[in-house]
Amino acid sequence: KNEVEQSPQNLTAQEGEFITINCSYSVGISALHWLQQHPGGGIVSLFMLSSGKKKHGRLIATINIQEKHSSLHITASHPRDSAVYICAVIGSSGSARQLTFGSGTQLTVLP
Amino acid sequence: GAVVSQHPSWVICKSGTSVKIECRSLDFQATTMFWYRQFPKQSLMLMATSNEGSKATYEQGVEKDKFLINHASLTLSTLTVTSAHPEDSSFYICSATIRVPRGYTFGSGTRLTVV
Repeated sequence: KNEVEQSPQNLTAQEGEFITINCSYSVGISALHWLQQHPGGGIVSLFMLSSGKKKHGRLIATINIQEKHSSLHITASHPRDSAVYICAVIGSSGSARQLTFGSGTQLTVLP
Repeated sequence: GAVVSQHPSWVICKSGTSVKIECRSLDFQATTMFWYRQFPKQSLMLMATSNEGSKATYEQGVEKDKFLINHASLTLSTLTVTSAHPEDSSFYICSATIRVPRGYTFGSGTRLTVV
């Protein structure tokens, strides 16, 4: 069992739909990241969370430490949101600050 | 914001040759640089962690003599794939920790194809 699991693996939505991507982890963490990887491979850090909720534009990220679960929401989705979204955690013990990645969610937003 | 510039963005090389990938931190000092490899449709896998002025720490299964990492300054870390083989073809990406805002910044990646 992977330490970080994401669902769904693939998601196709119509423009304007509300999108949710889920991430569950099985280890103690100090923080969780949501990353966006574009088709060319470049990665952008969207959020870093250790508790609660963060919002940036149409993106919202939440985390429940007790349940070891985080969600990324996209409101009013747009075709330019099409990308791979990756959840990554920083363990609370062991090697400092290295990330453990989920397998990613391929999001396609159709016009 | 903190930017890591990674070059080249893609490279094609012949089997047996060596390829050097550079990651430069443009407006901050990167004391630690992480090097990842990503195969198609798979997640990023940590290869090694480099710290400025000291030897890199390699993950299990990563050959340190094949993937040479140098982090001689606070703004430059390099990964050299030596004696490249087709199975080394992959997407390589570096990442550095940043303090403000707290988190990570990633290079744009290098797509290596060994023919």
